[in-house]
Amino acid sequence: DAGVIQSPRHEVTEMGQEVTLRCKPISGHDYLFWYRQTMMRGLELLIYFNNNVPIDDSGMPEDRFSAKMPNASFSTLKIQPSEPRDSAVYFCASSSRGGVTETQYFGPGTRLLVL
Amino acid sequence: QKEVEQNSGPLSVPEGAIASLNCTYSDRGSQSFFWYRQYSGKSPELIMFIYSNGDKEDGRFTAQLNKASQYVSLLIRDSQPSDSATYLCAVNSLKEARGSNYKLTFGKGTLLTVNP
Repeated sequence: DAGVIQSPRHEVTEMGQEVTLRCKPISGHDYLFWYRQTMMRGLELLIYFNNNVPIDDSGMPEDRFSAKMPNASFSTLKIQPSEPRDSAVYFCASSSRGGVTETQYFGPGTRLLVL
Repeated sequence: QKEVEQNSGPLSVPEGAIASLNCTYSDRGSQSFFWYRQYSGKSPELIMFIYSNGDKEDGRFTAQLNKASQYVSLLIRDSQPSDSATYLCAVNSLKEARGSNYKLTFGKGTLLTVNP
């Protein structure tokens, strides 16, 4: 079975440009998570969805960030306008259901560099 | 106060030795604790989780939990060079969960190097 799929794998853009990151969760998984990882802050949860509905977006840094999940097999994370401090690795993860011991499966990540 | 703390390392051990990785957390309401391994340039992958006080063993890995001390550790026996990676501790933190119990808070990780 395919794991979590993310695209693009690498993105280089200039400050002020719009960036869209894409994620396809594992089929049948009800939960989808967007994380950001930097050396300074580590791995941070940005937002997560349950059955396509955003549940907790308290980690979204500011209004420049938005996330959608139009259906069970696709989600996007958009940054508009992008800034150099947004440079990071963005991971998408999914899990089959909620619960305190549920495993999250991570995608390969998108490495974003904003110049 | 940081939610989940880990020594950043690097922790260097010789091949065949026991590697001990430690993690402390601040939220006493936390219910479950996860150890993820992340190779350089790769995504995190789950090694094991624990939610009851005591030890839990899985092959060469043992997770230890002490809720009274708010402390969780991971022991790797017979360390191999292939174990060289960053190990992330993650905590299910009810305080941060906004009514759900599903949000994980990660530590920054400990870099482990196993020398042949």
